[in-house]
Amino acid sequence: SQQGEEDPQALSIQEGENATMNCSYKTSINNLQWYRQNSGRGLVHLILIRSNEREKHSGRLRVTLDTSKKSSSLLITASRAADTASYFCATDPHSTDSWGKLQFGAGTQVVVTP
Amino acid sequence: NAGVTQTPKFQVLKTGQSMTLQCAQDMNHEYMSWYRQDPGMGLRLIHYSVGAGITDQGEVPNGYNVSRSTTEDFPLRLLSAAPSQTSVYFCASTSAGSNQPQHFGDGTRLSIL
Repeated sequence: SQQGEEDPQALSIQEGENATMNCSYKTSINNLQWYRQNSGRGLVHLILIRSNEREKHSGRLRVTLDTSKKSSSLLITASRAADTASYFCATDPHSTDSWGKLQFGAGTQVVVTP
Repeated sequence: NAGVTQTPKFQVLKTGQSMTLQCAQDMNHEYMSWYRQDPGMGLRLIHYSVGAGITDQGEVPNGYNVSRSTTEDFPLRLLSAAPSQTSVYFCASTSAGSNQPQHFGDGTRLSIL
């Protein structure tokens, strides 16, 4: 079952613009993670935000987490053509034996045009 | 370091054939897992392992077997391939403990005719 659902499914922007995508989930979590997948490649970890954190930054990436609404957002600022990829949120469920049994959403496909 | 290495990258099988997808990691990670990715869907967990000799089922285990004889290797076996198993398969590894990111291989693209 998919725990996370991303919105929008697809996003097309121009270089220099910001890209925002959202993730909603259903059950309590230990953490929420964002991954990027370039075409034909594996997933690359971007950011992990713990359940007791509200915001986290990494370079041009900003992630927020609202556990009361069971939602997260990923903001990519000043986008570049190289940011073209699919972005997935994944939740790590809150359970003693569920280490790393991530549940992924279907992803947001982002296209950045020069 | 190579990270997580998956072989082969591509494979075409006929219905009923068996094969093994290989996965190896050189990061000394305790935890390893197999996912499948289908169009329009996120990754779904097939099997996972928390250490050598210990494996368990994920969300979609039917038709697949795993074993973990060493820390480094975690092969996935398709016993009798079916067209429904056409997918992209990803292996991942992570350190023990909570709040650890997963490291993924580049995937095996499998087609069952």
